Amino acid sequence: KTQVEQSPQSLVVRQGENCVLQCNYSVTPDNHLRWFKQDTGKGLVSLTVLVHENDKTSNGRYSATLDKDAKHSTLHITATLLDDTATYICVVGEGGSALGRLHFGAGTQLIVIP
Amino acid sequence: NSKVIQTPRYLVKGQGQKAKMRCIPEKGHPVVFWYQQNKNNEFKFLINFQNQEVLQQIDMTEKRFSAECPSNSPCSLEIQSSEAGDSALYLCASSPVWGVSAETLYFGSGTRLTVL
Repeated sequence: KTQVEQSPQSLVVRQGENCVLQCNYSVTPDNHLRWFKQDTGKGLVSLTVLVHENDKTSNGRYSATLDKDAKHSTLHITATLLDDTATYICVVGEGGSALGRLHFGAGTQLIVIP
Repeated sequence: NSKVIQTPRYLVKGQGQKAKMRCIPEKGHPVVFWYQQNKNNEFKFLINFQNQEVLQQIDMTEKRFSAECPSNSPCSLEIQSSEAGDSALYLCASSPVWGVSAETLYFGSGTRLTVL
């Protein structure tokens, strides 16, 4: 059973709109959580990493939150652009202080239309 | 932009053939990971290294793959006898530390293997 669940599975928004992607996980112990962007057929580009309880990060138009008690994270994308069309993958790092094993979600496919 | 270089970009092999892919990690990154991403977007951890030493690997990797990260040479992952189920995107990632650091986990663009 997958330990990282992402929702929605896919999402279509108009350029300029905001959107929110969700990630729920059951990885224990959970060390950190990363959000990646993957363009079709390409590698993963790290957007942000969250480590501590109630962490909030901001990277340009991307912002993310982490609730470790609820084992839940959100990724907000503001003022979407056509280039934001991609799959967004939530990855949870397991274990103590080591990078250790990474558990990947299946991704949310975001499509931005004009 | 990805700082991890993977070659070849695409690889096509027949069943039973060897399939070898390479990864040049970001300069100064001693930690290297290999992951397999299948067509259902499921990622499978294969193996990781710190410098030239294998730290962790799954059974499949141990039995069917040959992997190394020699000093001053690209890391490599080779399937000894390809099977149809090996068709996937193979991703290499590197990190400067064995621990969590915000922006320092880089993935390559991957090698897409198709086994006919």
